[in-house]
Amino acid sequence: KAGVTQTPRYLIKTRGQQVTLSCSPISGHRSVSWYQQTPGQGLQFLFEYFSETQRNKGNFPGRFSGRQFSNSRSEMNVSTLELGDSALYLCASSLAIGLETQYFGPGTRLLVL
Amino acid sequence: AQKITQTQPGMFVQEKEAVTLDCTYDTSDQSYGLFWYKQPSSGEMIFLIYQGSYDEQNATEGRYSLNFQKARKSANLVISASQLGDSAMYFCAMRAFQGAQKLVFGQGTRLTINP
Repeated sequence: KAGVTQTPRYLIKTRGQQVTLSCSPISGHRSVSWYQQTPGQGLQFLFEYFSETQRNKGNFPGRFSGRQFSNSRSEMNVSTLELGDSALYLCASSLAIGLETQYFGPGTRLLVL
Repeated sequence: AQKITQTQPGMFVQEKEAVTLDCTYDTSDQSYGLFWYKQPSSGEMIFLIYQGSYDEQNATEGRYSLNFQKARKSANLVISASQLGDSAMYFCAMRAFQGAQKLVFGQGTRLTINP
């Protein structure tokens, strides 16, 4: 069974631009979560989607948004990029919400110049 | 709120030795799960092992075992017979069954296996 895939793997943007990251979960998984990883803040939860509905949201500004499609694929969008948005963005999928194990994709490395 | 503490920023171990990575957690929830992930330099988080708060037996997965001491709120990862490929960052994480069900991660431990 194929794992979680994320595209693109690497991205370079400039301040003020917006970016869209994509995540395809493991087949049959209906929950998708997004995390931001930086050297200073570590791994921080962005949001979780299940059945096209946002179930949980982390403490990030409204510039960070996401959505989930009927096939469970998910996208996250960051508008008006700031230098501090440079990070590794990880997507994880699980069968459902609750205590299900989350399986991670390879991540998208975003560099904002 | 949940909190994970990993007190070992870095560890150096000789190949074939066993290694214990420490993890303590704090939560007021009764039902929760504890997870360990490995992150090589490539960046991908690899799931290693899971322990549920109501599990009476310590979890094991191949060379990985989880030393779960509920009263002390600790969930240490034990890697037996370490290999060079075990060199990576290791993260302890927890997730509550109710409320905000996000995965909360510790700061990680960088493990280096020396030949």
